[in-house]
Amino acid sequence: QVQLVESGGGVVQPGRSLRLSCAASGLTLSNYAMHWVRQAAGKGLEWVATTSFDGDNKFYADSVKGRFTISRDNFKNTLFLQMNSLRGEDTAVYYCARALDTALGSVAYWGQGTLVTVSS
Amino acid sequence: QSVLTQPPSASGTPGQRITISCSGSSSNIGSNYVYWYQQLPGTAPKLLIYKNDQRPSGVPDRFSGSKSGTSASLAISGLRSDDEGDYFCAAWDDSLSVLFGGGTKVTVL
Repeated sequence: QVQLVESGGGVVQPGRSLRLSCAASGLTLSNYAMHWVRQAAGKGLEWVATTSFDGDNKFYADSVKGRFTISRDNFKNTLFLQMNSLRGEDTAVYYCARALDTALGSVAYWGQGTLVTVSS
Repeated sequence: QSVLTQPPSASGTPGQRITISCSGSSSNIGSNYVYWYQQLPGTAPKLLIYKNDQRPSGVPDRFSGSKSGTSASLAISGLRSDDEGDYFCAAWDDSLSVLFGGGTKVTVL
C-alpha cells in the first residue's frame, strides 16, 4: 500500500524551529519530485516548497524563502522540511505530496498532514 | 506568487451537472498542465484530474476536466450528496512555483 506519512508537527513558540518528516512506503521516493503544501484552518491550499527527484533543485514560496529548507533522503525514503524563524502566519496543516513522476510540475498524491501551531 | 481564480461556491441538486472554472495566465495554465483535487471535510486533498483531463483509477467518470487557453474547468455530473466539499485547481507556473486556486465549495441542495 502506497503511503505518505507526515510527522513532527506540534506547538512551537514564534522564532523557534521545527523539522517535519514525510516517510514514504510502498513506493521508491527517488522516482518522484516532492512538494510541501500547507493549509491554514478554514483557508485554501498554499504551496510551500518543491524538490526535484534527486534533491539537486529546490524551489520555495516567497513567504518561506530564507526560513524553510526542503530536503530528502532517498535512501531512507523520507522527505523533510526544516522550518526556522517560525511566525504565527506559519500555523497550518502541512502536507507532503508526491508528483506523478520525476517532473516538477505535478502535485498528485498527498499524505494526511501534520499540524503546526506557532504560538507563545 | 499569485493564485489561480476560482468561484468561491457552486451548488446544484442531486443528479445535476455543475462546472467549476479556474482562470490563470499564459505562464501557468496557458503553458502547463492543470490538476484538480477534491477535499472532503476533515480529510487531505485527493487527486481528481491530472494533466488537464485524465482521471486516476478509481475516480468516477462523473468527474471530467478540460482546458482552453488560460482557463480550465471541472465538471461534476450526476451530482451526489457525498460530492459536497472543497475543490481546488493547480498548475505549475513558469516562475518555478506551484499555484493553487482559492478553492470552490460545492453544496448539494
